[in-house]
Amino acid sequence: SQQGEEDPQALSIQEGENATMNCSYKTSINNLQWYRQNSGRGLVHLILIRSNEREKHSGRLRVTLDTSKKSSSLLITASRAADTASYFCATAHSQGGAQKLVFGQGTRLTINP
Amino acid sequence: DAGITQSPRHKVTETGTPVTLRCHQTENHRYMYWYRQDPGHGLRLIHYSYGVKDTDKGEVSDGYSVSRSKTEDFLLTLESATSSQTSVYFCAIREDRGLFIDEQFFGPGTRLTVL
Repeated sequence: SQQGEEDPQALSIQEGENATMNCSYKTSINNLQWYRQNSGRGLVHLILIRSNEREKHSGRLRVTLDTSKKSSSLLITASRAADTASYFCATAHSQGGAQKLVFGQGTRLTINP
Repeated sequence: DAGITQSPRHKVTETGTPVTLRCHQTENHRYMYWYRQDPGHGLRLIHYSYGVKDTDKGEVSDGYSVSRSKTEDFLLTLESATSSQTSVYFCAIREDRGLFIDEQFFGPGTRLTVL
């Protein structure tokens, strides 16, 4: 399976602290994406980093990508209660002309007030 | 909101019955996807479509079929539902930007229970 692994599976921190989630994958990728899912809702795209990029920022989000280690990390700075959600990494692959995303199992983040 | 709706939003059915889930988009995007989400497995791709009448299998396609007779609708059919198909089903679309694989936009999901 190409499925990625996310670490940790669950993370609980205090509001204002930084949250770091990690993602590892097995095969070469075109890009890696992070999504957020609030309870009972669909996934929302957060940020995309291409295979030739090493770091990307978007607001309080910082994503890094190390293709030599086949790993990525998502950092959320100055966390807020509204950041409580599950976070998924997804690797984008080309396969015979098809374009597919392979999702990790997710990290459940809880921000305590 | 990428203009994606799914119907029904909730369904309870019995083993052996056929079930069809509908995904509807309003923005004429070329690519559409069906995923299922189960605890401990994240999202897994069932089938996808890259145009009208153009579909292909994903990672967990056994027991599922799809059809896309017009751009805006992508149907997922469980020919004979089994309890292992109890899951939350998500539809997603992707804009066509050529060779680059860009982000997908997800619908609200359909919670299916097979008794």
